[in-house]
Parts: sequence; structure tokens; C-alpha cells
Amino acid sequence: DQQVKQNSPSLSVQEGRISILNCDYTNSMFDYFLWYKKYPAEGPTFLISISSIKDKNEDGRFTVFLNKSAKHLSLHIVPSQPGDSAVYFCAARPSGGYQKVTFGTGTKLQVIP
Amino acid sequence: GAVVSQHPSWVICKSGTSVKIECRSLDFQATTMFWYRQFPKQSLMLMATSNEGSKATYEQGVEKDKFLINHASLTLSTLTVTSAHPEDSSFYICSAPTGQGGSYEQYFGPGTRLTVT
Repeated sequence: DQQVKQNSPSLSVQEGRISILNCDYTNSMFDYFLWYKKYPAEGPTFLISISSIKDKNEDGRFTVFLNKSAKHLSLHIVPSQPGDSAVYFCAARPSGGYQKVTFGTGTKLQVIP
Repeated sequence: GAVVSQHPSWVICKSGTSVKIECRSLDFQATTMFWYRQFPKQSLMLMATSNEGSKATYEQGVEKDKFLINHASLTLSTLTVTSAHPEDSSFYICSAPTGQGGSYEQYFGPGTRLTVT
């Protein structure tokens, strides 16, 4: 049972344009959502997160939007850069301290120069 | 951000032998660490939660006698793959959450590529 889903396994975007990566979840207990970036043979790198009490969080070129009623979140990257090419994982966990995180299946983003 | 290291970064072993992978939090203390494995083109699968000073909690379907976890100190957790077989070949990643700034983000190690021949 995949509780966190990323339905697009890959995405190609021109440099300078917006990249939108989508994520859906099913577990109502999830209260905190994260996006990680991962290169091959490396560990994931934390990008940005959002608590369920918010619907938007922005950090530089990265913005995460949360629609709790739809159990959907998205990551926007503007403008996209070739260095953004990587696999992006959406993740979620319940509230409170050191809870285990459930990962989505990942979306491979390719930014074309 | 916080730093988590893993050692070794890659290891090749023969079938039937045991392999130990270390996970260290370098600039913070971690009472909890998580161990994941990732198969090619797949997501990260949580294997177990490592708790300092107590037994690890394993996810359903993960053999605790095969994947031994020891969290001996606040900065070190080890995963030992016992009697390794080719199907254990995978990318193993650890992570440690830290409450620095109150955000409780998980910081990941660089991973260990295990190949069992």
C-alpha cells in the first residue's frame, strides 16, 4: 500500500521555466510534508517542508503548496536550472518529534539547457 | 544543516559473509536513527528505527535476525547484514532526525552500496 504517491516518474522542463512536481497521500495522520532531492548513489538532501497548518511555504526558488482537503502537495521550482536535474522525493510523517517518514516513489526531473 | 556520515560508501562481499555498515551523526546527537534501503529506480524503503539504548523497531517484512541494528551511542548506529546473499545487494541509507530549530528534519547519510557476489 503506497501511502505517498508521485504519479509522474519523470518530467522534462526547459531551463528558466517552471517545474511542478506533484504528490498525493492517503494517510490522514500525516501532518508534516517534506521534499528531498537525490542524486544517484547519494543520500537524499532536504529541500523544503510544510506543516499541515499552512498551505504554502517558500524558500528561494522553491515553493511547496499543500491542499489538505485533496491530500495533495506540489513543489514548484522557478526558474528551473540545469543543476536542478535530479530525482525528487515527496515524503510525509505524522506530527510530533522523531516520527518515521514515508517516501513517495520519486520523480526524475530533467532541466534542459 | 546537520551532517550524517556512513561508512563504508561501498562494499563487495561474498555470499554467506556478514557486512557492517556504520552511520554517524557528526555534529549533533541522535537518539533515533532510521535505516532505509533503495532498489534501483524505486523509492526508499524504511527497514527499521534504531533507538539508542534499546532494541530497534523493524518494519513489517524485515528480518531482524538478518539485519542486526545496534545503536550503541548517541552518535553511532550500525547495521549488520548477516549471512549476506545476492538479493541483499542494494543501496542502504541511514538518516537521523534533529530538532535543531524545532523542525525535526531528517538528515541523510550518503548511503552505502552493498554488492553480494
